[in-house]
Amino acid sequence: ILNVEQSPQSLHVQEGDSTNFTCSFPSSNFYALHWYRWETAKSPEALFVMTLNGDEKKKGRISATLNTKEGYSYLYIKGSQPEDSATYLCAFNTGGFKTIFGAGTRLFVKA
Amino acid sequence: EAGVAQSPRYKIIEKRQSVAFWCNPISGHATLYWYQQILGQGPKLLIQFQNNGVVDDSQLPKDRFSAERLKGVDSTLKIQPAKLEDSAVYLCASSPTGASNQPQHFGDGTRLSIL
Repeated sequence: ILNVEQSPQSLHVQEGDSTNFTCSFPSSNFYALHWYRWETAKSPEALFVMTLNGDEKKKGRISATLNTKEGYSYLYIKGSQPEDSATYLCAFNTGGFKTIFGAGTRLFVKA
Repeated sequence: EAGVAQSPRYKIIEKRQSVAFWCNPISGHATLYWYQQILGQGPKLLIQFQNNGVVDDSQLPKDRFSAERLKGVDSTLKIQPAKLEDSAVYLCASSPTGASNQPQHFGDGTRLSIL
């Protein structure tokens, strides 16, 4: 059974703090790793798609790295803002159209 | 570009009743997904369509859940009869071709509560 683990489950930080989360996935049959942000009462929004070992992606204050050999990805947020409060989901793609989501990291940023 | 549309946003029913959800994907997207997200867990794929054909329904409880995508556009997901454990958010998503490197575009979801 393929499993995607995210840690921590939840995180409380102060405005201005930098933070990071981990997504662990099987290192075999890797095709792609996705990060999504899901704000309360909204739809999940795609942040990054990463396909190659060593990939690094950046969007504003948010960045992500990928290590397919050891099966993990990090998401970093620099200088957290209250509007960053959301659940951050990672999703692992194997071949054959299979997508497996982690349970997410719920981030709370206090002003 | 209009996003993925879902309705209703909220639904409360009693156990053993029936319920149906509707999804209209982004125009031109061949792949449509239905997910069930139970509180504290990640979204679980229930069924994936490629145009109007089923690609994966291995996690769909077929004794009570059914889904169709007539004409390869809109889709409906039905639960009959509902159980308490079906309380969840039901998310619909679409992507252009379903390729692994394509992000999925999600609707706002339907929050279902079973009494």
